[in-house]
Amino acid sequence: QQPVQSPQAVILREGEDAVINCSSSKALYSVHWYRQKHGEAPVFLMILLKGGEQKGHEKISASFNEKKQQSSLYLTASQLSYSGTYFCGAYQTGANNLFFGTGTRLTVIP
Amino acid sequence: DAGVIQSPRHEVTEMGQEVTLRCKPISGHDYLFWYRQTMMRGLELLIYFNNNVPIDDSGMPEDRFSAKMPNASFSTLKIQPSEPRDSAVYFCASSFSAGGRAPLHFGNGTRLTVT
Repeated sequence: QQPVQSPQAVILREGEDAVINCSSSKALYSVHWYRQKHGEAPVFLMILLKGGEQKGHEKISASFNEKKQQSSLYLTASQLSYSGTYFCGAYQTGANNLFFGTGTRLTVIP
Repeated sequence: DAGVIQSPRHEVTEMGQEVTLRCKPISGHDYLFWYRQTMMRGLELLIYFNNNVPIDDSGMPEDRFSAKMPNASFSTLKIQPSEPRDSAVYFCASSFSAGGRAPLHFGNGTRLTVT
């Protein structure tokens, strides 16, 4: 039930782009994205509901393909502040809670 | 709003002792979740409440774990007796809705170390 994230880790230089993928084996109702910095709590980024919508927040956006049961998080022109571990949360159709992926550690270097 | 408040931030205890973790959700949020985070298993849902009633406790690992929510502004997670494998960061989160439509607001977590 736990979604699979890829890559597990990525290192970027400031200004570079990255894509983080989240894949589920079960039908999804929605996908959440969170970022967690070391020693801190996960912080909500965005929710995508089934319908194939794409959302964006400044230079971070995401898409959700319900047919493929996949979501992708896009980080463009990365900043040092983007460093952290990104988790997708999959809300599966018929389930009643959120299953988190294993996380993708993103490191942005100067 | 003050956000979700958890206490203590750190807890170190010896095997066999009772541990109680506390959580105050955001006012107005009807859903409260307890998660455990470890390197090996990531973020795992232990239990969640709706309007102070436990809805799904299938993630609670053993009978040593119990959770209560006596009112809308307070919840506890208790481990008795504690074991070294319980060492983890325990997060409490609250939300104004379930069903996958609303974000989870996490507290800062309690880092539990059982020696």
